[in-house]
Amino acid sequence: EPEVTQTPSHQVTQMGQEVILRCVPISNHLYFYWYRQILGQKVEFLVSFYNNEISEKSEIFDDQFSVERPDGSNFTLKIRSTKLEDSAMYFCASSHTLTGDLNTEAFFGQGTRLTVV
Amino acid sequence: AQKITQTQPGMFVQEKEAVTLDCTYDTSDPSYGLFWYKQPSSGEMIFLIYQGSYDQQNATEGRYSLNFQKARKSANLVISASQLGDSAMYFCAMREGLGGAQKLVFGQGTRLTINP
Repeated sequence: EPEVTQTPSHQVTQMGQEVILRCVPISNHLYFYWYRQILGQKVEFLVSFYNNEISEKSEIFDDQFSVERPDGSNFTLKIRSTKLEDSAMYFCASSHTLTGDLNTEAFFGQGTRLTVV
Repeated sequence: AQKITQTQPGMFVQEKEAVTLDCTYDTSDPSYGLFWYKQPSSGEMIFLIYQGSYDQQNATEGRYSLNFQKARKSANLVISASQLGDSAMYFCAMREGLGGAQKLVFGQGTRLTINP
């Protein structure tokens, strides 16, 4: 069964450093997303991406964040200068095939646990 | 106002019993979708079941069913014949509008513990 894969599964970084979280969405999906879950809290939407551009972003997704689809398969989230409060689980998700049902679920990756020290 | 409310932070159930996890939602959009995801201790988000706002019947997927009461704006998840492996966090989520990007709004979650 196709799945969304994320790397790395865990990342520890120093405050102020740049991190890049990587995702390979399901190959025939059109929409890509990043969500964040601070430990013990609910999952929060960060950004959606379609047709090589951001389609929507939340208040959390400030200038420190950026997303990119550098090639036909990868989808990355970059945090330019990490802060302690960026420590969280980051989920990548993808949805919607070209000919598929519009009412379909988003498939989530297994997450990257980011710890900023 | 919260768009998704899960009022049960924790639930404890005996194995083999049925369990209902509550979810209420708030939207003025006539077109929306409701989702339930399971998050085991390993952290991944596993899709369980989906209900569209125009669906006439309650969704079912194996042991999972969704008790959709549109007038009350509730979308409770029912797990029949619970198993030890059902112990996890369960999140209710909503997408407003049809098609397009799946911006999901999640509830706070319910931690379900199945006792042997």
